[in-house]
Amino acid sequence: DTEVTQTPKHLVMGMTNKKSLKCEQHMGHRAMYWYKQKAKKPPELMFVYSYEKLSINESVPSRFSPECPNSSLLNLHLHALQPEDSALYLCASSQEATGSNQPQHFGDGTRLSIL
Amino acid sequence: GDSVTQMEGPVTLSEEAFLTINCTYTATGYPSLFWYVQYPGEGLQLLLKATKADDKGSNKGFEATYRKETTSFHLEKGSVQVSDSAVYFCALRYWGNQGGKLIFGQGTELSVKP
Repeated sequence: DTEVTQTPKHLVMGMTNKKSLKCEQHMGHRAMYWYKQKAKKPPELMFVYSYEKLSINESVPSRFSPECPNSSLLNLHLHALQPEDSALYLCASSQEATGSNQPQHFGDGTRLSIL
Repeated sequence: GDSVTQMEGPVTLSEEAFLTINCTYTATGYPSLFWYVQYPGEGLQLLLKATKADDKGSNKGFEATYRKETTSFHLEKGSVQVSDSAVYFCALRYWGNQGGKLIFGQGTELSVKP
């Protein structure tokens, strides 16, 4: 069983819709991450939160808006997405964001399809 | 820059065959090394890790040894099962790496036939 929980598992939305992806972890980790993954490719980092503050934005388009309400929760707000945004969106967490050799723990992802 | 290179797939084996997936890396620091596995329709699971040279990570019959002299972290399993069919990612992370980024290899797809 994964210790990082993502909802929903699947999401289909039109290009004008607004939706949110949710991620939760209860491991006491202080760093949380959003990744985008295309089929059979490695995950691509989108955002990093460290101690509930955004520390890295990998030049992600503004139609993706992350939010970290508290140390256990991470959201990704979606608006006016494009068909090329269809992908698996993975959330991950780790003890720290920097100065650590600890692994990141991933959720099962949300499979997003843009019509 | 830092990078990870894995052998290209797909790799197709018969059940009970020996598995090796090659992984080499370049890094300016002293990285920790990881193998992640992704089963169809799922997220990434940490399979094993090694944090310093000569460490051996092991889990579920899989092993990998951190070889600093050859900058390698090859994944091995003595006898694969159909249930091992998945995509395997080698990755590195190290002290001082901005944002603690995981640097992934391109992934190797493994298919095990009965």
